Amino acid sequence: DTGVSQDPRHKITKRGQNVTFRCDPISEHNRLYWYRQTLGQGPEFLTYFQNEAQLEKSRLLSDRFSAERPKGSFSTLEIQRTEQGDSAMYLCASSFGTGRVSQPQHFGDGTRLSIL
Amino acid sequence: AQTVTQSQPEMSVQEAETVTLSCTYDTSESNYYLFWYKQPPSRQMILVIRQEAYKQQNATENRFSVNFQKAAKSFSLKISDSQLGDTAMYFCAFMNPQGGSEKLVFGKGTKLTVNP
Repeated sequence: DTGVSQDPRHKITKRGQNVTFRCDPISEHNRLYWYRQTLGQGPEFLTYFQNEAQLEKSRLLSDRFSAERPKGSFSTLEIQRTEQGDSAMYLCASSFGTGRVSQPQHFGDGTRLSIL
Repeated sequence: AQTVTQSQPEMSVQEAETVTLSCTYDTSESNYYLFWYKQPPSRQMILVIRQEAYKQQNATENRFSVNFQKAAKSFSLKISDSQLGDTAMYFCAFMNPQGGSEKLVFGKGTKLTVNP
């Protein structure tokens, strides 16, 4: 068990550029979550996958944001036309669950995005 | 919508002493999960303790225990014999799987400093 892995750890980009983050969950986990955490706040839910299906999206996930989990393993989160307000820590978490029984979520180290 | 409130932005405690962090939440659901997560500086979020709402017995994990008051919608965390390594942000979180959502709803966090 190597834990949840996120890449890159830090990303600095200019406003208007596109960025993509990757998350590799714990290998046996079928559920994967993305959260956003801004300074001084708790994480806010963005989206959730069970296997390859995206089952829930937050209203925070504007049309500039897209997430995929094509083979039910790793996931990517893309932000198009980045804005200053997108600066945050993007956290990925995974868990194993069947039906409505879910084990606790395990978090990665996060990707810190800074928009210049 | 569920909300989680942590009324103590910062707290400090002397090493080896006991400290209690407060959390209240708002929900109309009867069955749900509550969590305390710890986020050390520049490190990943780690699960400290979990409580299932249908269980009356308070959860304990070594030096960590909770006081779960369902009627009052209160979920406080007690850390006994505080250690320097307990210095971190502590987040209270709520999950209602019955609503079909796996998302965690977090409070804003309490910054705990353990002083030598």
